[in-house]
Amino acid sequence: QVRLEQSGAEVKKPGASVKVSCKASGYTFTSYYIHWVRQAPGQGLEWMGIINPSGGGTTYPQKFQGRVTMTRDTSTSTVYMELSSLRSEDTAVYYCAREGSFGVVITSNWFDPWGQGTLVTVSS
Amino acid sequence: SYELIQPPSVSVSPGQTASITCSGDKLGDKYAFWYQQKPGQSPVVVIYQDTKRPSGIPERFSGSNSGNTATLTISGTQAMDEADYYCQAWDRSAVVFGGGTRLTVL
Repeated sequence: QVRLEQSGAEVKKPGASVKVSCKASGYTFTSYYIHWVRQAPGQGLEWMGIINPSGGGTTYPQKFQGRVTMTRDTSTSTVYMELSSLRSEDTAVYYCAREGSFGVVITSNWFDPWGQGTLVTVSS
Repeated sequence: SYELIQPPSVSVSPGQTASITCSGDKLGDKYAFWYQQKPGQSPVVVIYQDTKRPSGIPERFSGSNSGNTATLTISGTQAMDEADYYCQAWDRSAVVFGGGTRLTVL
């Protein structure tokens, strides 16, 4: 079955960077875009951007431009999300999520499935 | 920037119908998607493209979208439906989530 397996929890100091991985299985890795979404403790969902595993193209919302980098390794079917210049407000669970359907226009597509989430704690 | 507004909380008695709204400017011109998130779990899509239900999602979940409001309706609500629900839409090339609604079944 389709599965997204994320790396384990991280604890980082302010100013550091974190790199979270998301390993895909059960489908053709290069056929579906992957998104990253985060959720601060007790808060809602926040979209961080999207990567095309085929060509590596990315789109980030303005809030994260310059601080987030999404990459992929097609040999291992893994996407990565690196967030730099960490601050306490970046403490959150970070999720990767695949787009739900092949061949559907990006802006008509949804998130399915989601990874299990990775807790990133930023603390001095 | 585009915003989606949801009520913070909705309460419903078991067996009754719960309606959760999501408001945004001309939201009816876009697709709305709905996700259910239970404590400690990852979100799961329950409605996509306004009205469609993924396989495995019970028939009691339905959706509509018109004008400025999308609505998630849960008919015959069960205790297992207690969760946070998030609406989502695309604005140009960016994903927008609503703030979430906590559904309490009491």
